[in-house]
Amino acid sequence: SQTIHQWPATLVQPVGSPLSLECTVEGTSNPNLYWYRQAAGRGLQLLFYSVGIGQISSEVPQNLSASRPQDRQFILSSKKLLLSDSGFYLCALSTGSVPYEQYFGPGTRLTVT
Amino acid sequence: DQQVKQNSPSLSVQEGRISILNCDYTNSMFDYFLWYKKYPAEGPTFLISISSIKDKNEDGRFTVFLNKSAKHLSLHIVPSQPGDSAVYFCAASAGLNAGGTSYGKLTFGQGTILTVHP
Repeated sequence: SQTIHQWPATLVQPVGSPLSLECTVEGTSNPNLYWYRQAAGRGLQLLFYSVGIGQISSEVPQNLSASRPQDRQFILSSKKLLLSDSGFYLCALSTGSVPYEQYFGPGTRLTVT
Repeated sequence: DQQVKQNSPSLSVQEGRISILNCDYTNSMFDYFLWYKKYPAEGPTFLISISSIKDKNEDGRFTVFLNKSAKHLSLHIVPSQPGDSAVYFCAASAGLNAGGTSYGKLTFGQGTILTVHP
């Protein structure tokens, strides 16, 4: 079965510092990969999705970027964090058989101070 | 523009009773709907889904109903258990109608906090 790893689990960063969150998956090949953010008291907002290596689509304009250097690796980055970047970041995957059923990783809690 | 709405931020029920969670959507292109359950500090877990060609899907204690004309879906949990206490998100996708090019993008509601009291 497929497994999603995210690290770090928790991160506290000052405003203006860079960010790199990593997501890796096991147990499947060529998955669709997604980055979501859940801000405090709000729903899940899709940030980026990727259908293959080097292919990234952005859903909302923001201070963040994403990359997919390998089939099972998805990275979320920022050059300079803002206070509004605080939230719970979730990586998810879907497979070709049922692309709209997504499975989520454990998440990273980011606090920007 | 909130295309998927869960208008009840919270719901409290007694153990053994029915929990009914509601969700409304506005985009008529949505053709696949899902419910997720989320505990604090964890990722959401998939519960149950329904295609727009059906009006009901059942899996154990969980049943999802879809009313396309009203653009409304609901999740019924019977009987409710304390372990069901969590945040429930509904989500929608335009995967089929988009000719498979939506890449499974999901639009989520804001979530409903369900508390089941023993």
